Amino acid sequence: KAGVTQTPRYLIKTRGQQVTLSCSPISGHRSVSWYQQTPGQGLQFLFEYFSETQRNKGNFPGRFSGRQFSNSRSEMNVSTLELGDSALYLCASSKELYQETQYFGPGTRLLVL
Amino acid sequence: SQQGEEDPQALSIQEGENATMNCSYKTSINNLQWYRQNSGRGLVHLILIRSNEREKHSGRLRVTLDTSKKSSSLLITASRAADTASYFCATVLNTGGFKTIFGAGTRLFVKA
Repeated sequence: KAGVTQTPRYLIKTRGQQVTLSCSPISGHRSVSWYQQTPGQGLQFLFEYFSETQRNKGNFPGRFSGRQFSNSRSEMNVSTLELGDSALYLCASSKELYQETQYFGPGTRLLVL
Repeated sequence: SQQGEEDPQALSIQEGENATMNCSYKTSINNLQWYRQNSGRGLVHLILIRSNEREKHSGRLRVTLDTSKKSSSLLITASRAADTASYFCATVLNTGGFKTIFGAGTRLFVKA
């Protein structure tokens, strides 16, 4: 089985722009979670999607949003980028909602200049 | 503050030695998980221990859980250079929705 894939792997944007990141979960997995990882704040939960609905949300501003498609693929969007949004964005999938074991993708490294 | 906090922050050992990392958490849990992350990549799930378990083994990994002290430890025996990575503990909080909370991690460096 193919693992979780994320595209693009690297991205450079400037302040004020917006960005969309994509995540394809493992085949058969219906839950997708997103995390932001920075040296200062560590790994922080952004949101979780299941059956095309956001089920859980972390403490991030409304500039961070996401969606899930009927094939379980997910995208996250960050609008009006700030320098502090520079981070590794990780996507994780699991079979069902609230699954204990998550399978992570390689991440998208975003640099905001 | 984070639900899970690991210590030490960094650990450097020789190949063949054992490495022990600790994790403390604040609220009651159903389970605790350990993940490994190689430099700047995705996380790999290592082991899950439930709140009614005290110890669990998986290959060279041994995890203990002390719910009275709200702490867990991960022991890697006979370490190898390939074990060089960051190790994170994770717990799930139910705050009107389930969120996986990761600790700050322990950076392990195994010298060949």
